[in-house]
Amino acid sequence: EPEVTQTPSHQVTQMGQEVILRCVPISNHLYFYWYRQILGQKVEFLVSFYNNEISEKSEIFDDQFSVERPDGSNFTLKIRSTKLEDSAMYFCASSVGTTRADTQYFGPGTRLTVL
Amino acid sequence: DAKTTQPPSMDCAEGRAANLPCNHSTISGNEYVYWYRQIHSQGPQYIIHGLKNNETNEMASLIITEDRKSSTLILPHATLRDTAVYYCIVRVAGGTSYGKLTFGQGTILTVHP
Repeated sequence: EPEVTQTPSHQVTQMGQEVILRCVPISNHLYFYWYRQILGQKVEFLVSFYNNEISEKSEIFDDQFSVERPDGSNFTLKIRSTKLEDSAMYFCASSVGTTRADTQYFGPGTRLTVL
Repeated sequence: DAKTTQPPSMDCAEGRAANLPCNHSTISGNEYVYWYRQIHSQGPQYIIHGLKNNETNEMASLIITEDRKSSTLILPHATLRDTAVYYCIVRVAGGTSYGKLTFGQGTILTVHP
């Protein structure tokens, strides 16, 4: 069964460093998403992406964040200058994007630890 | 998207049916009810969704009341591996809206041996 994959599973970085989290969405999906979950808190939406542009973003998704689809398979989230409060699980999701089958499927997540 | 209300926790004996309720009294006509679960800190796992009619798949059944103001997720024969946080989410699906899922705190389901 096709699934969303994410790499790395765990990323440790120093405050102020740039990180890139990678995701491979399900191959025939057209919509891509990033969510994050700070330890002990709710899963929060960050951004959705379609047709090589951002469809929607939350107030969390400030200028430190960017997303890109660099090729036909990868979808990345970049954090330019990490802060301690960026430590969280980051989940990528994708959906087909048709009117009926608009179900988002999530990857296993990347645990980001900012020291 | 309409807000949902779920009990914070529930217990269930292994092998028995787990019935997880959700209230969504402000749901609109074009909003679907989605259920996801999250085991430990893994990615949320899609379970089922529905609009008006009851739905069943290999994982669960979804019962939606006639007025659509509440629903119940049924895991017919709960196993220890079903211990997870279960999220009931209401959102518009289809049309031009492919937007975010808004997660609440969910229901922590604990399945006991």
